[in-house]
Amino acid sequence: DIQMTQSPSTLSASVGDRVTITCRASQNINYWLAWYQQKPGKAPHLLIYKASILESGVPSRFSGSGSGTEFTLTISSLQPDDFATYFCHQYNSYSPWTFGQGTKVEIK
Amino acid sequence: QVQLVESGGGLVKPGGSLRLSCAASGFSFSDYYMGWIRQAPGKGLEWISYISVNGATIYYADSVKGRFTLSRDDAKSSLFLQMNSLRAEDTAIYYCARDRDRGYLLDYWGQGAQVTVSS
Repeated sequence: DIQMTQSPSTLSASVGDRVTITCRASQNINYWLAWYQQKPGKAPHLLIYKASILESGVPSRFSGSGSGTEFTLTISSLQPDDFATYFCHQYNSYSPWTFGQGTKVEIK
Repeated sequence: QVQLVESGGGLVKPGGSLRLSCAASGFSFSDYYMGWIRQAPGKGLEWISYISVNGATIYYADSVKGRFTLSRDDAKSSLFLQMNSLRAEDTAIYYCARDRDRGYLLDYWGQGAQVTVSS
C-alpha cells in the first residue's frame, strides 16, 4: 500500500496567516492527489484535485502544488471559516487508496 | 444538489451484524462508482470498499474482506454495506462517498454513521 505522511498534525495560526500543509507519498503517485477540508460532525469537502486543480466554488486562497511524492496545500491568508482539519488522499488507481492522517488548523 | 445520507449505525456486540445504508440524491446514482471509507477514533481515514456501476466490480480492503458485503440498488439510489462478524476494531464513523468520474476521486461524502462494537 502507498503510505501518505502528512505534516504537521496540528498547526496553530492566526487570521491572515499563510499556512502550508505537506503530504508525502511512499511512492510515485504522479499528480493523483486530493485535499479535503473537514469540520466536526460534517462531511469532508473537496478542495483540490489532481494536486493543483481548485474545485469549483472553493476560494482562491486555497492552492495545491507538487507531483510524484511531495505535495503541498497552501492557504494564502487564513480566514475564520478555515479553522478545520485538512487531509490528503492519493487515488493513484486501485492501490488501494490511502489518506494522510490529517492536519488540524487551530486558532493561535 | 448532491446529497449522501448514511443510516443504520449503532451499538453492536462483538460478533454481531449491522447494515449501513447510504441514500443518494441530486445526481444520477446509477452512473457513478461509490465507496465506503471509515475513521476510527483518533485514527486516520481508511478506505474499505468500492463498487462500480451495476455492481460489476467490488473491491474490499483486507481488513474487512470476507466479513463485509457491499451492494447497490440503483432503483432506490442507495448503497448498502452489510457488516458481519464485527470486531472492536471496526468501531468508527463510516462515510459513503461518490467517485466523480470513475477515476477514484471522491468528490462528495456523506456526514457519516457511527458504528460502535462493544460488549
